[in-house]
Amino acid sequence: DSGVTQTPKHLITATGQRVTLRCSPRSGDLSVYWYQQSLDQGLQFLIQYYNGEERAKGNILERFSAQQFPDLHSELNLSSLELGDSALYFCASSVDAAITGELFFGEGSRLTVL
Amino acid sequence: AQSVTQLDSQVPVFEEAPVELRCNYSSSVSVYLFWYVQYPNQGLQLLLKYLSGSTLVESINGFEAEFNKSQTSFHLRKPSVHISDTAEYFCAVSDWGSQGNLIFGKGTKLSVKP
Repeated sequence: DSGVTQTPKHLITATGQRVTLRCSPRSGDLSVYWYQQSLDQGLQFLIQYYNGEERAKGNILERFSAQQFPDLHSELNLSSLELGDSALYFCASSVDAAITGELFFGEGSRLTVL
Repeated sequence: AQSVTQLDSQVPVFEEAPVELRCNYSSSVSVYLFWYVQYPNQGLQLLLKYLSGSTLVESINGFEAEFNKSQTSFHLRKPSVHISDTAEYFCAVSDWGSQGNLIFGKGTKLSVKP
């Protein structure tokens, strides 16, 4: 158990809909990262937050947004969903923003868009 | 821009045989290098990392990787694999100036057969 909790584990929805994925980082970790894993693109970095502030942005679509709350949990919002958004979405956390450390990954939220 | 290439998408081997999973990276600056492992239905876990110092790094379960700057490689090896090593292995890179996110390769599925 990494200590990172993601909900829901599975989600099935229709095109055009909006979903929210939730992540609780390990106790004491200030950084939260979101990754998208799909068969064709592999593991893609979406966005990073550090202590409530956006720290780095990767290949995140404009239809997607995220935030980190004062209690350090994070949410990833996916809107106007398309079939191609079907993927496994991982949240990871680390103690700080310096990448000499280790990322701790949750078990992922599997999104299926029909 | 940085990138990571894992040349083999799948590697089948027999139990107790040696294995090498290849990883090459491209970066114009000095980097940190990582191998993560993903067991079925789980999140990624750090296997080993190279930050500085000795170019040969080891994990607690018998894997090792060698940083080769001239060949921009960080191949993962194990002299004798077990059934329990069956998993997907991801190579990742982060540069010294990174805000904290990792760039992952597309992964190599190691399948150990009895």
